[in-house]
Amino acid sequence: KQEVTQIPAALSVPEGENLVLNCSFTDSAIYNLQWFRQDPGKGLTSLLLIQSSQREQTSGRLNASLDKSSGRSTLYIAASQPGDSATYLCAVGGNYGGSQGNLIFGKGTKLSVKP
Amino acid sequence: GAVVSQHPSWVICKSGTSVKIECRSLDFQATTMFWYRQFPKQSLMLMATSNEGSKATYEQGVEKDKFLINHASLTLSTLTVTSAHPEDSSFYICSAREPYGYEQYFGPGTRLTVT
Repeated sequence: KQEVTQIPAALSVPEGENLVLNCSFTDSAIYNLQWFRQDPGKGLTSLLLIQSSQREQTSGRLNASLDKSSGRSTLYIAASQPGDSATYLCAVGGNYGGSQGNLIFGKGTKLSVKP
Repeated sequence: GAVVSQHPSWVICKSGTSVKIECRSLDFQATTMFWYRQFPKQSLMLMATSNEGSKATYEQGVEKDKFLINHASLTLSTLTVTSAHPEDSSFYICSAREPYGYEQYFGPGTRLTVT
């Protein structure tokens, strides 16, 4: 059974710091891994999608890496800003449950960037 | 980019009544749609997967007679919570996937409160 763990559960940093969020998963047979951002009471915003054959993806100040063999992914945020404050969710896609390509989510890391 | 909408964004209903939530893919055809539930401070849990024109596949522990899913067209799926109870109060989020694709595009969510 696939399980996704995110560490830390919460993180508070001063503005301008670089930071790393961690995600681990137990079953390496994944199609892809996706990082999302969720603001309080809102839906999900997709940040980065890494296919199983890829090692990393970059978008602006965000960089996500994937090490499928060790079951780990990291999301690196450079020069953090107060607007980055949100909960960041990691999800792995694979053959789970009722259909192909289902996503299994971690519980998220709640990030707070202080001005 | 692919846009998914949900309606309503929030709803309050009395215990014992039924509530319908709509999920629409606005600029693409979605052969598969997913319904998730998120309790406070918890991660998203997949409830069911619906494929256009066929019956939904429910995850273990989700009552199919209570959570009715209809995916009658390539752009619309509905979730009806029947005989709602306070414990059904939650944040319901749908996602949609294009044919032959693995990425899921998420709606903004619906906050359901049952009194």
